[in-house]
Amino acid sequence: NAGVMQNPRHLVRRRGQEARLRCSPMKGHSHVYWYRQLPEEGLKFMVYLQKENIIDESGMPKERFSAEFPKEGPSILRIQQVVRGDSAAYFCASSELAGVRNEQFFGPGTRLTVL
Amino acid sequence: GDSVTQMEGPVTLSEEAFLTINCTYTATGYPSLFWYVQYPGEGLQLLLKATKADDKGSNKGFEATYRKETTSFHLEKGSVQVSDSAVYFCALMSGGGADGLTFGKGTHLIIQP
Repeated sequence: NAGVMQNPRHLVRRRGQEARLRCSPMKGHSHVYWYRQLPEEGLKFMVYLQKENIIDESGMPKERFSAEFPKEGPSILRIQQVVRGDSAAYFCASSELAGVRNEQFFGPGTRLTVL
Repeated sequence: GDSVTQMEGPVTLSEEAFLTINCTYTATGYPSLFWYVQYPGEGLQLLLKATKADDKGSNKGFEATYRKETTSFHLEKGSVQVSDSAVYFCALMSGGGADGLTFGKGTHLIIQP
């Protein structure tokens, strides 16, 4: 059973471009979470999705960021008009069920560098 | 809101030394508590967890006990190895309905031979 897959592993963008980060959850997992890790910081929760639904986006910046988890295919985190402050590692996690007792399994992350 | 505070690093120890990494939390409801480990260039791996007060999580020689009275979840290992060098994150998931994990800033552990 493959783990959580993320691609690309490294992404370089110039200011003003768009960044698309993909996450394929573990087989059988229908809950996906996105986190951002700024340099020298812990991970910060951004958004929680189930298939075709955004459940909690309380950690998502109000502008330029969006996320989706379509019925078919991976979850996508999209950042429009990137700025240098968006440079970070973005981690995706998935779980089989929701709630406090269900383990989230993390992908290897996508390291975004904005020039 | 929920928060996790853990000791800042880097923490440098010699091989076979005793390890303690302190973690305290503030949360609504009855959170579950976790320790994650991150090796260079990799994602986070769950190291251990505890879901209720007085539970002890353990894995690979690491232990942590959920102490509700002191709101703490300190990570310990009796004899560290060079391969334990990594960044360790304490985290919680609140029983108050929040969906994501709340992480501490991480503690970089360096074990010298």
